[in-house]
Amino acid sequence: AQRVTQPEKLLSVFKGAPVELKCNYSYSGSPELFWYVQYSRQRLQLLLRHISRESIKGFTADLNKGETSFHLKKPFAQEEDSAMYYCALSGVDSSYKLIFGSGTRLLVRP
Amino acid sequence: DAGITQSPRHKVTETGTPVTLRCHQTENHRYMYWYRQDPGHGLRLIHYSYGVKDTDKGEVSDGYSVSRSKTEDFLLTLESATSSQTSVYFCAISGGQHYGYTFGSGTRLTVV
Repeated sequence: AQRVTQPEKLLSVFKGAPVELKCNYSYSGSPELFWYVQYSRQRLQLLLRHISRESIKGFTADLNKGETSFHLKKPFAQEEDSAMYYCALSGVDSSYKLIFGSGTRLLVRP
Repeated sequence: DAGITQSPRHKVTETGTPVTLRCHQTENHRYMYWYRQDPGHGLRLIHYSYGVKDTDKGEVSDGYSVSRSKTEDFLLTLESATSSQTSVYFCAISGGQHYGYTFGSGTRLTVV
């Protein structure tokens, strides 16, 4: 079955420290992977798509098919990065539906 | 303007009453989705639509029905609300597999 696992419910770091939010997936086909961010009581916003290999707000994520991972990284965390982060998997069928992980709350302390 | 709006933003209702949430898009996207967001569960798919009058169930569809009579509108109905349906409901639209979703602002529903 297709599944997305985010093992950390909460990640707390100090401002300026590196950040890595973990995401592992299980899917036998060719996955499309995304990271979404949700700031306090706001709508979810697309942060990254693995297919575009872009860097947004200093965040990057690399798809590792061998380890079935798509970890989100940032070298120097900022307080405004505090938010809920969701990893999501698509491509499982023609409906384009996304399967989400349970989310990781990132708290960046001053 | 994100091209997708949800109404109402907040609603409190009593157990056993029917409730309808509305999602409206201006992007002319074929695919629309309803998710619920609960702590520890992330987002779980309730129902989705792949065209006018074409809908299908997601992983947590029990107790919910949907309708899509126009491309721009996707309605979610709780036929008889229960306390377990207290949640934040998000609608989303998709422009295709590579693009991911655009989400609405959410509806916070409380069933008392």
